Amino acid sequence: KQEVTQIPAALSVPEGENLVLNCSFTDSAIYNLQWFRQDPGKGLTSLLLIQSSQREQTSGRLNASLDKSSGRSTLYIAASQPGDSATYLCAVRDGGGTSYGKLTFGQGTILTVHP
Amino acid sequence: DTGVSQDPRHKITKRGQNVTFRCDPISEHNRLYWYRQTLGQGPEFLTYFQNEAQLEKSRLLSDRFSAERPKGSFSTLEIQRTEQGDSAMYLCASSRRGEGQETQYFGPGTRLLVL
Repeated sequence: KQEVTQIPAALSVPEGENLVLNCSFTDSAIYNLQWFRQDPGKGLTSLLLIQSSQREQTSGRLNASLDKSSGRSTLYIAASQPGDSATYLCAVRDGGGTSYGKLTFGQGTILTVHP
Repeated sequence: DTGVSQDPRHKITKRGQNVTFRCDPISEHNRLYWYRQTLGQGPEFLTYFQNEAQLEKSRLLSDRFSAERPKGSFSTLEIQRTEQGDSAMYLCASSRRGEGQETQYFGPGTRLLVL
């Protein structure tokens, strides 16, 4: 059974800092990995999707890396802003033949960027 | 708005009552997922539809839960004889089979509170 863990559970940083969020998963046979953002009381917004064959993806100030063999992914946020404050969720889609695409999520990292 | 929509956004009910939630996926998305998210946790998979067929159900989906997707369009999730432990955010997501890496797009969720 796939298990996803995110570290740290919470992070508070001053505006302008570069930061790294960590995600680990137990079964390396994944199809892809997604990073999501969730604002309080809201649904999920997809930030980046990394295919199992890729090593990283970039979008603006966000960069996500994937090391499938070690079961790890990191989300790097450059020059953090107060508007980045949210919960960041990592989710993996297993690559098994019977997988219908369901995602297994970590518990999230609560990020607070203060001015 | 062409995103995933859910109705209602909030529901307060008394223990023992039945509730029904609706999800309208993105048009032409043939895959539809339901997830449940409790406070401080990541979403957990409940069930999956491909068109109108329910192909996978989690063990979390007890006999009191039933989901349908008539005609492969919108979906409903019904909870019978609600319990306080059912209080959670219920999230719906959709994707299109074969489209890219099948990014899942999430709705805003229905927050259920059982008193």
